[in-house]
Amino acid sequence: KQEVTQIPAALSVPEGENLVLNCSFTDSAIYNLQWFRQDPGKGLTSLLLIQSSQREQTSGRLNASLDKSSGRSTLYIAASQPGDSATYLCAVKAGKSTFGDGTTLTVKP
Amino acid sequence: KAGVTQTPRYLIKTRGQQVTLSCSPISGHRSVSWYQQTPGQGLQFLFEYFSETQRNKGNFPGRFSGRQFSNSRSEMNVSTLELGDSALYLCASSLELGFVGYGYTFGSGTRLTVV
Repeated sequence: KQEVTQIPAALSVPEGENLVLNCSFTDSAIYNLQWFRQDPGKGLTSLLLIQSSQREQTSGRLNASLDKSSGRSTLYIAASQPGDSATYLCAVKAGKSTFGDGTTLTVKP
Repeated sequence: KAGVTQTPRYLIKTRGQQVTLSCSPISGHRSVSWYQQTPGQGLQFLFEYFSETQRNKGNFPGRFSGRQFSNSRSEMNVSTLELGDSALYLCASSLELGFVGYGYTFGSGTRLTVV
């Protein structure tokens, strides 16, 4: 059974800092890994999708990496802003998707 | 291009009642998945439909059921509601089922409160 763990559960940083969110998974037989952002009470917004054959994806200030052999992915956020405050979830897909519990990020002005 | 549409956005029901939630996927998407999100349990997978057939199912009791229509729209039904069913129910659509490269697009969810 696939298990997905996200560390830390919560993170608070001052504006402008670069930061890394971590996602680990137990079964490396995945189709892809997707990072999402969720604002309170809202649905999930897709940030980046990394296919199993890829090592990383970039979108603006976001960079996600994938190391299938070690069962790890990281989401790097450069020059954080208060608007980045949200919960970030990773999901691995192999048939159905399995989600981590998320990291709640607070960026202080 | 319209996103994933879930209706209704909010719902209040009484214990013992039943409820039906609706999800319209992105045009052209054939896979629809349903998730329950609660503060204590996080995102829990309910089921996934593709071409009107349930392809995957999570560990929920039989009170939770779903279906998908020929136009890919999906509904989920919860019978005999319990207080613990109060949650945000999220629907996600994907172009195809289980293939590399196809991620999920989520709707805004239906907030169900059982009183």
